[in-house]
Amino acid sequence: GAVVSQHPSWVICKSGTSVKIECRSLDFQATTMFWYRQFPKQSLMLMATSNEGSKATYEQGVEKDKFLINHASLTLSTLTVTSAHPEDSSFYICSARSSIRGQETQYFGPGTRLLVL
Amino acid sequence: AQSVAQPEDQVNVAEGNPLTVKCTYSVSGNPYLFWYVQYPNRGLQFLLKYITGDNLVKGSYGFEAEFNKSQTSFHLKKPSALVSDSALYFCAVTGGFKTIFGAGTRLFVKA
Repeated sequence: GAVVSQHPSWVICKSGTSVKIECRSLDFQATTMFWYRQFPKQSLMLMATSNEGSKATYEQGVEKDKFLINHASLTLSTLTVTSAHPEDSSFYICSARSSIRGQETQYFGPGTRLLVL
Repeated sequence: AQSVAQPEDQVNVAEGNPLTVKCTYSVSGNPYLFWYVQYPNRGLQFLLKYITGDNLVKGSYGFEAEFNKSQTSFHLKKPSALVSDSALYFCAVTGGFKTIFGAGTRLFVKA
């Protein structure tokens, strides 16, 4: 089946630094990727929709200047957490939308755990 | 607006017994419905989906789900639970363009 990777799988950083998370679709092209955030023992919250070649669409309450999204190619989207603070510590999960044989399916990456000290 | 409800925070079942994890949804138009499982500190693993066709959908690891349009439900089921099924289960619906997730149900299977 389709595979989505994320890098890094976990990262620890100091408060005030920026962290970039990569999401790649390994064996299919994804014009659309999604970024989710998951707090402990909670569900996934959609942060933004990343569209190849255009600006991302952010959900209400998500700061676009804080969470920079770049969908540079059909297989890569990046999420940069700028000037990270401890409250940004979370599990970030990306997904990529695949259209194979006319069926659309969303495939999820393994997640990136961010800890801001 | 679309929404997904998983009414149970936790489901406990003995190994070998059947299990059901409930999900109801609200969406305009025809729904695409999904079940995912998440193990600790891991991403989501796809279990099954309903797009169209038979209301009973069979998925990975012996799980199945039944789409009930009149009750707007998509409950996850398994005839005989295993201890290794213990995990967090998410129901999701795609209506239009976005996929929305339920709050999750933690399944505990006791040996």
